[in-house]
Amino acid sequence: DQQVKQNSPSLSVQEGRISILNCDYTNSMFDYFLWYKKYPAEGPTFLISISSIKDKNEDGRFTVFLNKSAKHLSLHIVPSQPGDSAVYFCAADFGNEKLTFGTGTRLTIIP
Amino acid sequence: DAGVTQSPTHLIKTRGQQVTLRCSPISGHKSVSWYQQVLGQGPQFIFQYYEKEERGRGNFPDRFSARQFPNYSSELNVNALLLGDSALYLCASSLEWTGVMQPQHFGDGTRLSIL
Repeated sequence: DQQVKQNSPSLSVQEGRISILNCDYTNSMFDYFLWYKKYPAEGPTFLISISSIKDKNEDGRFTVFLNKSAKHLSLHIVPSQPGDSAVYFCAADFGNEKLTFGTGTRLTIIP
Repeated sequence: DAGVTQSPTHLIKTRGQQVTLRCSPISGHKSVSWYQQVLGQGPQFIFQYYEKEERGRGNFPDRFSARQFPNYSSELNVNALLLGDSALYLCASSLEWTGVMQPQHFGDGTRLSIL
């Protein structure tokens, strides 16, 4: 039972444009949602999070949007840079720090 | 400051053997969690420890066990290894288990291969 889904295994975006990564979830009891970035041979790096009581959180070039009625969240990266090329994982948390991860989206930024 | 450190980085074992993986959290972090990441999948939660006590356990068999030491470092043990245990094992630490979300910071993992 995949409670957190990332339906796009890969995404290619031109440098300087907006990257939009999507994530869907099935359990409305999740309290927090997080995005992690992962380079090869490294562990996931925390990017940004959002509480279920909010619909938007912004940190520099990264913005996460939450649509609770649709059980959908998205990560926007503007402008996209070559260093953003990585695998991005969406994760959800009931507030007990037991993260449930999606399967990841590989983002490639084209120079 | 040092991040989360894990050892060893790579390990090769055969079926039926036992393995111990080690993790040192970020200085000051008291909560340690373990995740298994199989190729092509996202990390899957195995255990969480806080102040040496188990706070949570994922859907893994009893062959998997863990413990946390007074200095907050942790070990993950897996007995009777199966081919399906081949994966990247990730350790994550966070500042404190307060019931309010603290972002977890991950180590680079131990790549375990079972032959």
